[in-house]
Amino acid sequence: QVQLQESGPGLVKPSETLSLTCTVSGGSISSYYWSWIRQPPGKGLEWIGYIYYSGSTNYNPSLKSRVTISVDTSKNQFSLKLSSVTAADTAVYYCARADMTTVTTPPYYFDYWGQGTLVTVSS
Amino acid sequence: QSVLTQPPSVSAAPGQKVTISCSGSSSNIGNNYVSWYQQLPGTAPKLLIYDNNKRPSGIPDRFSGSKSGTSATLGITGLQTGDEADYYCGTWDSSLSAGYVVFGGGTKLTVL
Repeated sequence: QVQLQESGPGLVKPSETLSLTCTVSGGSISSYYWSWIRQPPGKGLEWIGYIYYSGSTNYNPSLKSRVTISVDTSKNQFSLKLSSVTAADTAVYYCARADMTTVTTPPYYFDYWGQGTLVTVSS
Repeated sequence: QSVLTQPPSVSAAPGQKVTISCSGSSSNIGNNYVSWYQQLPGTAPKLLIYDNNKRPSGIPDRFSGSKSGTSATLGITGLQTGDEADYYCGTWDSSLSAGYVVFGGGTKLTVL
């Protein structure tokens, strides 16, 4: 059974960079897409982006200028960096495995999720 | 202001059936598969439906999905109090060259 666990600081100062890591256990990070999704308190889900195990990425256009997702296959981990954060970036951040219908369709659904980690942006 | 539109809330009595709608456009639902998620209070979302109407292993057949044109629907029969949760639809949006994942704003289900 694949399990994902987010880790990183729970408090980040405005204008600084938010950094989180997701550790995948129970399966290899290879041959799949891996995503970050966030949920502001009391609000809905927002897709941040994904990375393929080979390193190719795709980001939400609304966050693209501030987001970097990277992967470390040797550690079975992938990471999120979000720069120049403001209070609007306060949210529960989830890592998830993204899957697709066929090799020619995009990875649009998420079958395994981490428990989520709350990141608060405040001075 | 989510790309996909869901009703904020729905309610029904135990044992009854409820449907939750998800409306989009030709750049998303109209030309891509739809997924549905259940989020119980204080927990991570859980995949209920993918590819419009397929259920992952372990999801009971009380949950069903359908799609017509630019809208999708999640159906839940034999409602139980444990079904009280927020439900989200999701899909791919092809309006930009790279495409991206979009979600609905979520629907809170109350089992009266």
